[in-house]
Parts: sequence; C-alpha cells; structure tokens
Amino acid sequence: NAGVTQTPKFRILKIGQSMTLQCTQDMNHNYMYWYRQDPGMGLKLIYYSVGAGITDKGEVPNGYNVSRSTTEDFPLRLELAAPSQTSVYFCASSRTGERSPLHFGNGTRLTVT
Amino acid sequence: KNEVEQSPQNLTAQEGEFITINCSYSVGISALHWLQQHPGGGIVSLFMLSSGKKKHGRLIATINIQEKHSSLHITASHPRDSAVYICAGPMYSGGGADGLTFGKGTHLIIQP
Repeated sequence: NAGVTQTPKFRILKIGQSMTLQCTQDMNHNYMYWYRQDPGMGLKLIYYSVGAGITDKGEVPNGYNVSRSTTEDFPLRLELAAPSQTSVYFCASSRTGERSPLHFGNGTRLTVT
Repeated sequence: KNEVEQSPQNLTAQEGEFITINCSYSVGISALHWLQQHPGGGIVSLFMLSSGKKKHGRLIATINIQEKHSSLHITASHPRDSAVYICAGPMYSGGGADGLTFGKGTHLIIQP
C-alpha cells in the first residue's frame, strides 16, 4: 500500500493564481482531512470529509475549496492565492475519524509571492 | 473547543537520557494521539490511547483521563529520536468527525 499520496511536494504561486493540491489514499478510509502547518503553530484543519460526496469546513476554510467524488481522492483547491496561504499543507486519512490513527501524506510546501 | 498544550516547547538532551514530554487538554476526550514529525517534515502516528499506558519499543505513552493529561516517554534516547513530537485530541468534547486539534509540538534534540 502506498498510504496517502500528496502532490506536488513544492510549489511557488504568484498572488492571484490558482492551483489544486492532490491527495489520494489506497486504504479505503472514509475520513480524509486537509491541514495546514504554519511555523510555531499546531496543525489547523482546513476541510474534512467523512465519505464520498460529503465535505465540511474546518477551522480555517476561507480561500479554499474541496471535493470528494471518490473514496480515494480529496483534492484541495486554492482560488486567488494570497501570501497568507504560504504554508505547509498536509492531507491525512483515518478509518473511523479521531478514534483511529491518522495517516499523513508527505506534505506540500506552498509559497505565494 | 478542546485546547491542547504541550511542554516543553524545546528539549535538548544527551544520548541515553530518559525523556518526558507532557500534554494537557481542556475537555473530556475519548482518545489522544501522539505523532512524530521527522526533520524532513513527514508526520507519523505513534500512539492513540484512551486510557492507561501503551508501549512501542523505547516509546511509552500514558494518559490520565481524570486529570486531562498525557505523557510521552522515551527510554535510552538516541540521536535518531530527534524530531518534533505532537500531541492531538478531538476538536470538541464528545468527538465527532470534526478532526483533531493539535498542540504546537515539542522540538526534541538528542545529542550524541
């Protein structure tokens, strides 16, 4: 099993550009999450999904959108990138939510200039 | 909303020392997670526990539900244990699908 795969690993965007961070998992997990990690701060939840077709906002959803058309894939869309979105982004999945271990992707380091 | 606090923020120790990292949280939870973030940035789950103690190799995690406190211990520490250790719990009391809330992490350096 590959686990959770995130792409790209690095990306530099200009202000106002858009991009999609890809996330796929091969563990048949229903729960998937997008987190961002800023220096000196704990990971913050952007969006989450409890199954295909179901998504919901986390703590810091502004400027982002997600979709969950399949169990495997949970892409994160950044529209009109802003410098405040410079961060490291992690996709994660779990079998039964917070009562089961989280499996993380390797992260995407995004810089908006 | 659950607030998760870790201490210390930074810890430097010599190889072989016994390490303790502490985590406190503010609301009743069903499970607490300990994670390790490698210097390269990857995050792996170490433990998920809801009571008592769990052990994996030289790592031991304990939790006291009544005191809302958990500890991560490393015995016979080694330079390869150098990493950021992160504590996390459900975002809200009673759990649900809202994801986890994370501590800011403890940056551990083990010197040879």
